[in-house]
Amino acid sequence: NAGVTQTPKFQVLKTGQSMTLQCAQDMNHNSMYWYRQDPGMGLRLIYYSASEGTTDKGEVPNGYNVSRLNKREFSLRLESAAPSQTSVYFCASKSGTGGTGELFFGEGSRLTVL
Amino acid sequence: AQSVAQPEDQVNVAEGNPLTVKCTYSVSGNPYLFWYVQYPNRGLQFLLKYITGDNLVKGSYGFEAEFNKSQTSFHLKKPSALVSDSALYFCAYIMTTDSWGKLQFGAGTQVVVTP
Repeated sequence: NAGVTQTPKFQVLKTGQSMTLQCAQDMNHNSMYWYRQDPGMGLRLIYYSASEGTTDKGEVPNGYNVSRLNKREFSLRLESAAPSQTSVYFCASKSGTGGTGELFFGEGSRLTVL
Repeated sequence: AQSVAQPEDQVNVAEGNPLTVKCTYSVSGNPYLFWYVQYPNRGLQFLLKYITGDNLVKGSYGFEAEFNKSQTSFHLKKPSALVSDSALYFCAYIMTTDSWGKLQFGAGTQVVVTP
């Protein structure tokens, strides 16, 4: 049981390049999330998907787009990368709806934008 | 603005001594409260949560936390720290009215346990 799998684990981009971070979960969870982690700021929510076919903005959505391809997969796309998007990105999933369930996180994707 | 605060960037403790990681919340209404731990180069792992009921909640790896509504706090505790407890700890909350479970995190507290 792999849980939440993210690819790639590391990526270096030049300013203006585009890329997609992939995330897949095998726990049959309804909700999926993308967070970014920056030193001293904790984790901030970029986008989330409450169920297949729905997505919504979180706290810091500018410069990103997402796709909930099916129940398993939730991708994050940077159309034109900027140095401010240098960060560690985490995908997470949660069963059901509401706030009582725990999130399961992937191991992260470390992105550097030069 | 609604938030959780972790007032200490780092907590240093000797192995075998009690460990406390502080968290206070500032939200209007009733939150669900969580603690997560992040080991180096890994994703976050769930430790414990307060939903309702008993103010003292027990979680993984011998950790516990006490919900104190009057002090708006949810401090994480372990009676006897281990070197392997060295990690980054996050307090987080969700409003009970949030149907989508959008977890909001504090800035994190680095715990260093020395032998």
